[in-house]
Amino acid sequence: DSGVTQTPKHLITATGQRVTLRCSPRSGDLSVYWYQQSLDQGLQFLIQYYNGEERAKGNILERFSAQQFPDLHSELNLSSLELGDSALYFCASSVSGYSNQPQHFGDGTRLSIL
Amino acid sequence: DAKTTQPNSMESNEEEPVHLPCNHSTISGTDYIHWYRQLPSQGPEYVIHGLTSNVNNRMASLAIAEDRKSSTLILHRATLRDAAVYYCILRDGGAQKLVFGQGTRLTINP
Repeated sequence: DSGVTQTPKHLITATGQRVTLRCSPRSGDLSVYWYQQSLDQGLQFLIQYYNGEERAKGNILERFSAQQFPDLHSELNLSSLELGDSALYFCASSVSGYSNQPQHFGDGTRLSIL
Repeated sequence: DAKTTQPNSMESNEEEPVHLPCNHSTISGTDYIHWYRQLPSQGPEYVIHGLTSNVNNRMASLAIAEDRKSSTLILHRATLRDAAVYYCILRDGGAQKLVFGQGTRLTINP
């Protein structure tokens, strides 16, 4: 058990809809990362938050947004969903964000767009 | 991001040691070498990381070449549970994110 909790585990929705994925980091971790894993793109970094503020951005679409709340949990919002957004979405957390610190991953949310 | 090269797949037998190689010839002095693995239907799992010296933890050992252009993850006694995709990742001093390549798919035979 990594200590990172992601909900829901599975999400099935239709094109054009909007969904929210939730992540609770490990106790004490200030940094949260979001990654997307699809069959054709592999694991890709989307965005990072540190103590409520955006720290780094990857290949995140404009239709996607995220935030980290004062209690340090994070939400990833995906809107105007397309078939290609079907993927596994992982959240990870670390104490801060420096390169000598490991990231701990949740078990992911599987998003299926019909 | 500095690039790593790993074999696409490897196979080993249960209870035998496994040596997973990683080449990173363009590594810079501040790059940490991280290893993660992903078991089927799970999120990536941190295994080990190091900078210059060899490292050991309860899961594995990391052997780093003297010139740091390659490293080897060592599983001392493989179990069926070690079957996974193993990722070798370089993180520079300022990097927040992990950049995953294709990794090595490790198969363990009973």
